Amino acid sequence: GAGVSQSPSNKVTEKGKDVELRCDPISGHTALYWYRQSLGQGLEFLIYFQGNSAPDKSGLPSDRFSAERTGGSVSTLTIQRTQQEDSAVYLCASSLRRDGVTDTQYFGPGTRLTVL
Amino acid sequence: GEDVEQSLFLSVREGDSSVINCTYTDSSSTYLYWYKQEPGAGLQLLTYIFSNMDMKQDQRLTVLLNKKDKHLSLRIADTQTGDSAIYFCAVPSGGYNKLIFGAGTRLAVHP
Repeated sequence: GAGVSQSPSNKVTEKGKDVELRCDPISGHTALYWYRQSLGQGLEFLIYFQGNSAPDKSGLPSDRFSAERTGGSVSTLTIQRTQQEDSAVYLCASSLRRDGVTDTQYFGPGTRLTVL
Repeated sequence: GEDVEQSLFLSVREGDSSVINCTYTDSSSTYLYWYKQEPGAGLQLLTYIFSNMDMKQDQRLTVLLNKKDKHLSLRIADTQTGDSAIYFCAVPSGGYNKLIFGAGTRLAVHP
Protein backbone atom coordinates (compact mmCIF):
# COMPACT_ATOMS: atom_id res chain seq x y z
CA GLY A 1 0.00 0.00 0.00
CA ALA A 2 0.93 3.64 -0.18
CA GLY A 3 3.24 5.12 2.39
CA VAL A 4 3.04 8.48 4.10
CA SER A 5 2.85 11.29 1.57
CA GLN A 6 3.59 14.96 2.07
CA SER A 7 3.07 18.04 -0.03
CA PRO A 8 4.59 20.18 -1.27
CA SER A 9 8.00 18.56 -1.45
CA ASN A 10 9.63 21.98 -1.54
CA LYS A 11 8.34 25.36 -0.45
CA VAL A 12 10.12 28.68 -0.74
CA THR A 13 8.47 31.62 0.94
CA GLU A 14 9.24 35.13 2.04
CA LYS A 15 9.72 36.09 5.64
CA GLY A 16 6.42 37.04 7.23
CA LYS A 17 4.22 34.91 4.98
CA ASP A 18 2.09 32.02 6.22
CA VAL A 19 2.63 28.48 4.93
CA GLU A 20 0.64 25.26 5.08
CA LEU A 21 2.22 21.83 4.88
CA ARG A 22 0.12 18.74 4.25
CA CYS A 23 0.50 15.14 5.38
CA ASP A 24 -1.46 12.06 4.25
CA PRO A 25 -0.78 9.19 6.67
CA ILE A 26 -0.85 5.50 5.86
CA SER A 27 -4.44 4.31 5.60
CA GLY A 28 -5.65 2.84 8.90
CA HIS A 29 -2.95 4.47 11.01
CA THR A 30 -4.52 6.24 13.95
CA ALA A 31 -1.48 8.16 15.17
CA LEU A 32 0.20 11.01 13.29
CA TYR A 33 3.36 12.91 14.20
CA TRP A 34 5.14 15.99 12.92
CA TYR A 35 8.90 16.45 13.31
CA ARG A 36 11.32 19.07 12.12
CA GLN A 37 14.84 18.42 10.88
CA SER A 38 17.21 21.38 10.82
CA LEU A 39 20.97 21.73 10.71
CA GLY A 40 21.30 23.28 14.10
CA GLN A 41 18.72 21.25 16.04
CA GLY A 42 18.68 17.82 14.43
CA LEU A 43 15.36 15.97 14.48
CA GLU A 44 12.80 17.47 16.84
CA PHE A 45 9.31 16.34 17.75
CA LEU A 46 6.63 18.97 17.11
CA ILE A 47 3.15 17.52 17.64
CA TYR A 48 1.28 14.21 17.95
CA PHE A 49 -2.33 13.29 17.12
CA GLN A 50 -4.02 10.10 18.33
CA GLY A 51 -7.62 9.42 17.36
CA ASN A 52 -10.00 11.88 18.99
CA SER A 53 -7.70 12.66 21.91
CA ALA A 54 -6.31 16.12 22.47
CA PRO A 55 -3.03 16.45 20.55
CA ASP A 56 0.32 16.56 22.31
CA LYS A 57 1.61 19.98 21.27
CA SER A 58 4.57 19.99 23.62
CA GLY A 59 7.14 20.27 20.83
CA LEU A 60 5.74 23.27 18.98
CA PRO A 61 8.44 25.96 19.19
CA SER A 62 6.14 28.99 19.26
CA ASP A 63 2.50 30.04 18.94
CA ARG A 64 3.14 30.75 15.26
CA PHE A 65 3.00 26.98 14.75
CA SER A 66 -0.29 25.09 14.73
CA ALA A 67 -1.59 21.85 13.30
CA GLU A 68 -4.88 20.15 12.77
CA ARG A 69 -6.01 16.75 11.71
CA THR A 70 -9.32 16.45 9.91
CA GLY A 71 -11.44 13.32 10.01
CA GLY A 72 -8.70 11.40 11.75
CA SER A 73 -6.65 11.29 8.57
CA VAL A 74 -5.02 14.20 6.71
CA SER A 75 -3.08 16.72 8.76
CA THR A 76 -2.00 20.27 8.02
CA LEU A 77 0.86 22.05 9.77
CA THR A 78 0.56 25.83 9.57
CA ILE A 79 3.34 28.27 10.25
CA GLN A 80 2.27 31.88 10.51
CA ARG A 81 4.53 34.88 9.90
CA THR A 82 7.42 32.66 8.90
CA GLN A 83 10.93 33.50 10.07
CA GLN A 84 14.25 32.47 8.58
CA GLU A 85 14.88 30.13 11.51
CA ASP A 86 11.79 28.16 10.44
CA SER A 87 13.76 26.92 7.40
CA ALA A 88 14.00 23.16 7.80
CA VAL A 89 12.66 19.86 6.52
CA TYR A 90 9.30 19.08 8.07
CA LEU A 91 8.68 15.36 8.40
CA CYS A 92 5.39 13.63 9.03
CA ALA A 93 5.06 10.09 10.40
CA SER A 94 2.18 7.77 11.17
CA SER A 95 1.75 4.61 13.21
CA LEU A 96 -0.91 2.04 14.04
CA ARG A 97 -0.79 2.90 17.75
CA ARG A 98 -2.10 -0.32 19.21
CA ASP A 99 -1.30 -1.22 22.80
CA GLY A 100 1.00 -4.16 23.22
CA VAL A 101 2.30 -3.92 19.69
CA THR A 102 5.38 -2.09 18.53
CA ASP A 103 4.29 1.38 17.59
CA THR A 104 6.65 1.80 14.70
CA GLN A 105 6.51 5.19 13.06
CA TYR A 106 6.74 5.37 9.27
CA PHE A 107 7.96 8.62 7.79
CA GLY A 108 7.04 10.57 4.72
CA PRO A 109 9.62 12.14 2.38
CA GLY A 110 9.32 15.53 4.06
CA THR A 111 8.69 19.10 2.95
CA ARG A 112 11.75 21.30 2.60
CA LEU A 113 10.81 24.81 3.70
CA THR A 114 13.06 27.73 2.83
CA VAL A 115 12.24 31.15 4.24
CA LEU A 116 14.01 33.97 2.44
CA GLY B 1 14.04 14.34 29.54
CA GLU B 2 15.33 11.65 27.25
CA ASP B 3 18.73 12.19 25.71
CA VAL B 4 20.18 10.11 22.88
CA GLU B 5 23.79 10.38 21.79
CA GLN B 6 25.65 9.06 18.77
CA SER B 7 29.04 9.63 17.24
CA LEU B 8 28.74 11.85 14.20
CA PHE B 9 30.92 10.20 11.61
CA LEU B 10 32.18 6.76 10.61
CA SER B 11 34.33 5.84 7.63
CA VAL B 12 34.81 2.22 6.56
CA ARG B 13 36.26 0.33 3.65
CA GLU B 14 33.89 -1.52 1.36
CA GLY B 15 33.47 -5.10 2.54
CA ASP B 16 34.37 -4.35 6.16
CA SER B 17 31.89 -4.31 9.03
CA SER B 18 30.48 -1.03 10.34
CA VAL B 19 29.48 -0.52 13.95
CA ILE B 20 27.39 2.48 14.91
CA ASN B 21 26.90 3.15 18.61
CA CYS B 22 24.19 4.92 20.54
CA THR B 23 23.59 5.68 24.22
CA TYR B 24 20.31 6.77 25.76
CA THR B 25 19.07 7.86 29.17
CA ASP B 26 15.43 6.67 29.52
CA SER B 27 15.44 3.10 30.77
CA SER B 28 11.68 2.70 30.40
CA SER B 29 11.81 2.52 26.61
CA THR B 30 10.49 -0.82 25.42
CA TYR B 31 11.41 -0.53 21.75
CA LEU B 32 14.49 1.09 20.27
CA TYR B 33 14.81 1.93 16.60
CA TRP B 34 17.36 2.49 13.88
CA TYR B 35 16.43 4.67 10.91
CA LYS B 36 18.42 5.33 7.75
CA GLN B 37 18.39 8.56 5.76
CA GLU B 38 19.91 8.75 2.32
CA PRO B 39 20.78 12.13 0.78
CA GLY B 40 17.67 14.15 -0.01
CA ALA B 41 15.36 11.40 1.24
CA GLY B 42 13.10 10.85 4.23
CA LEU B 43 13.68 8.47 7.11
CA GLN B 44 13.55 4.76 6.35
CA LEU B 45 12.93 2.33 9.19
CA LEU B 46 15.89 -0.03 9.23
CA THR B 47 15.22 -2.24 12.22
CA TYR B 48 14.11 -2.21 15.84
CA ILE B 49 14.71 -4.23 18.98
CA PHE B 50 12.51 -4.96 21.96
CA SER B 51 14.08 -4.13 25.30
CA ASN B 52 13.89 -7.70 26.61
CA MET B 53 16.22 -8.82 23.82
CA ASP B 54 20.00 -8.62 23.81
CA MET B 55 20.46 -9.13 20.12
CA LYS B 56 18.49 -9.12 16.91
CA GLN B 57 19.83 -10.21 13.54
CA ASP B 58 18.30 -9.36 10.20
CA GLN B 59 20.41 -10.36 7.18
CA ARG B 60 23.48 -8.08 7.24
CA LEU B 61 22.20 -6.12 10.23
CA THR B 62 22.85 -7.01 13.87
CA VAL B 63 21.45 -4.94 16.70
CA LEU B 64 22.97 -5.32 20.15
CA LEU B 65 21.32 -3.92 23.26
CA ASN B 66 22.99 -3.53 26.64
CA LYS B 67 20.12 -2.36 28.77
CA LYS B 68 22.22 -2.07 31.92
CA ASP B 69 24.57 0.40 30.24
CA LYS B 70 21.80 1.89 28.06
CA HIS B 71 23.88 1.22 24.99
CA LEU B 72 22.59 0.25 21.57
CA SER B 73 24.66 -0.64 18.54
CA LEU B 74 24.03 -1.40 14.89
CA ARG B 75 26.45 -3.61 13.02
CA ILE B 76 26.37 -3.76 9.24
CA ALA B 77 28.28 -6.73 7.84
CA ASP B 78 30.00 -6.56 4.44
CA THR B 79 29.35 -2.84 4.13
CA GLN B 80 28.59 -1.66 0.60
CA THR B 81 28.70 1.78 -1.02
CA GLY B 82 24.91 1.71 -1.04
CA ASP B 83 25.01 1.71 2.76
CA SER B 84 26.42 5.24 2.74
CA ALA B 85 23.82 7.31 4.59
CA ILE B 86 23.04 8.88 7.94
CA TYR B 87 21.90 6.42 10.59
CA PHE B 88 19.69 7.60 13.44
CA CYS B 89 19.11 5.89 16.74
CA ALA B 90 15.61 6.69 18.08
CA VAL B 91 14.08 6.04 21.48
CA PRO B 92 10.40 6.54 22.35
CA SER B 93 9.54 8.98 25.10
CA GLY B 94 6.33 10.09 26.75
CA GLY B 95 4.47 6.81 26.36
CA TYR B 96 5.33 6.37 22.67
CA ASN B 97 4.03 9.82 21.84
CA LYS B 98 7.28 10.91 20.33
CA LEU B 99 10.65 9.64 19.23
CA ILE B 100 13.82 11.21 20.55
CA PHE B 101 16.54 10.99 17.93
CA GLY B 102 20.27 11.03 18.18
CA ALA B 103 22.16 13.50 16.02
CA GLY B 104 22.78 10.82 13.42
CA THR B 105 25.96 9.03 12.36
CA ARG B 106 27.12 9.72 8.82
CA LEU B 107 28.52 6.49 7.37
CA ALA B 108 30.97 6.90 4.50
CA VAL B 109 31.98 3.76 2.60
CA HIS B 110 35.12 3.96 0.47
CA PRO B 111 36.66 1.43 -1.91
